[in-house]
Amino acid sequence: GAVVSQHPSWVICKSGTSVKIECRSLDFQATTMFWYRQFPKQSLMLMATSNEGSKATYEQGVEKDKFLINHASLTLSTLTVTSAHPEDSSFYICSARDPWRQSSYEQYFGPGTRLTVT
Amino acid sequence: QKEVEQNSGPLSVPEGAIASLNCTYSDRGSQSFFWYRQYSGKSPELIMSIYSNGDKEDGRFTAQLNKASQYVSLLIRDSQPSDSATYLCAATEYGNKLVFGAGTILRVKS
Repeated sequence: GAVVSQHPSWVICKSGTSVKIECRSLDFQATTMFWYRQFPKQSLMLMATSNEGSKATYEQGVEKDKFLINHASLTLSTLTVTSAHPEDSSFYICSARDPWRQSSYEQYFGPGTRLTVT
Repeated sequence: QKEVEQNSGPLSVPEGAIASLNCTYSDRGSQSFFWYRQYSGKSPELIMSIYSNGDKEDGRFTAQLNKASQYVSLLIRDSQPSDSATYLCAATEYGNKLVFGAGTILRVKS
């Protein structure tokens, strides 16, 4: 149980274009999903917390107009990187909590999406 | 600012030995603690969660929590080369966002 998928697993795009990344909870309903970014040899950096049916909460320093998050259903959250630039190249990982599990504070991570902006 | 501190390593242990990974946290309000394993180029995988003082064992893994000392540890018995990875310690207060440490690199040498 508690499986999270992401799509695509990797993407290459040109500078100035937008990229959408999907995060799905496959066997549970996730009221809360989290989006992280990880640069090489660094730890995870939380970008935003996504709650189903409401606006995402962004961490300090994360541009909400650049990283658009939509959590329209209990199993799907999307992250859109708008007007991507080479410095946005990174490993983007989502995670989700299953509120119905006894250990509901645990977060389960998707496999990640590697974004390269040329 | 809430912080989780880990020694970056690398921690090198021979195959079959016990690997001991340590973590301290600054926020006394933290209630839940987690150990994640991350292989190079992959996303983190949850291996242990602990909520109460004391030890929690799961197979070759034992998590230890001491809230008075604000200290969490992970012991890996009979270490295998496949255990070589970065281990991330994380803490949360009542299910809010996780605060991650920078991770400890573990190398198990055969």
